[in-house]
Amino acid sequence: KAGVTQTPRYLIKTRGQQVTLSCSPISGHRSVSWYQQTPGQGLQFLFEYFSETQRNKGNFPGRFSGRQFSNSRSEMNVSTLELGDSALYLCASSWGTDSSYNSPLHFGNGTRLTVT
Amino acid sequence: AQKVTQAQTEISVVEKEDVTLDCVYETRDTTYYLFWYKQPPSGELVFLIRRNSFDEQNEISGRYSWNFQKSTSSFNFTITASQVVDSAVYFCALSGGIIQGAQKLVFGQGTRLTINP
Repeated sequence: KAGVTQTPRYLIKTRGQQVTLSCSPISGHRSVSWYQQTPGQGLQFLFEYFSETQRNKGNFPGRFSGRQFSNSRSEMNVSTLELGDSALYLCASSWGTDSSYNSPLHFGNGTRLTVT
Repeated sequence: AQKVTQAQTEISVVEKEDVTLDCVYETRDTTYYLFWYKQPPSGELVFLIRRNSFDEQNEISGRYSWNFQKSTSSFNFTITASQVVDSAVYFCALSGGIIQGAQKLVFGQGTRLTINP
């Protein structure tokens, strides 16, 4: 069974640009979550999508957005990039249903974004 | 608010030593879940264990064991007879509530474990 796939693995962008990151969940998983990892702030929850609807949201500015498609694949977008957006962005998938809400998250390898 | 504290930023031991990683959490939820993840240099977070708030039974999986004590809000992780391959950053995490899948994890800052040959 294929794991969570994130593309691209590395990205270099310039301040002010926008970027789109992609995540393909494990087959059958309907929940996709995004996390930002930085040396200073650690791992922080961005948002979670389930059945194409945003179900949870963390404390990030509106420049961070996401969406989920009918096949559960998800994208996250960051507009007007700032230097502080440089981070490892991790995507995770799970069954996500209420009857299995404790199902563990399975993470991808992440996309490392560098903003210059 | 939920919070996870991993007081040990870095631990370095010699191979075959036992090592315990500490995790203390705060939550007002009566139902919650605790997790441990391992992050090797490749970056991927590898799931190790999940424990719910109603199950205080300790668990052992090979060289790994977990001690959950609700009375002290701790969920410690012990590696017995450590190996070089255990070197990684380990994260303790908490998810709370039962609404909408509770997929939001609050992570500790992580403990970087180095096992020296």
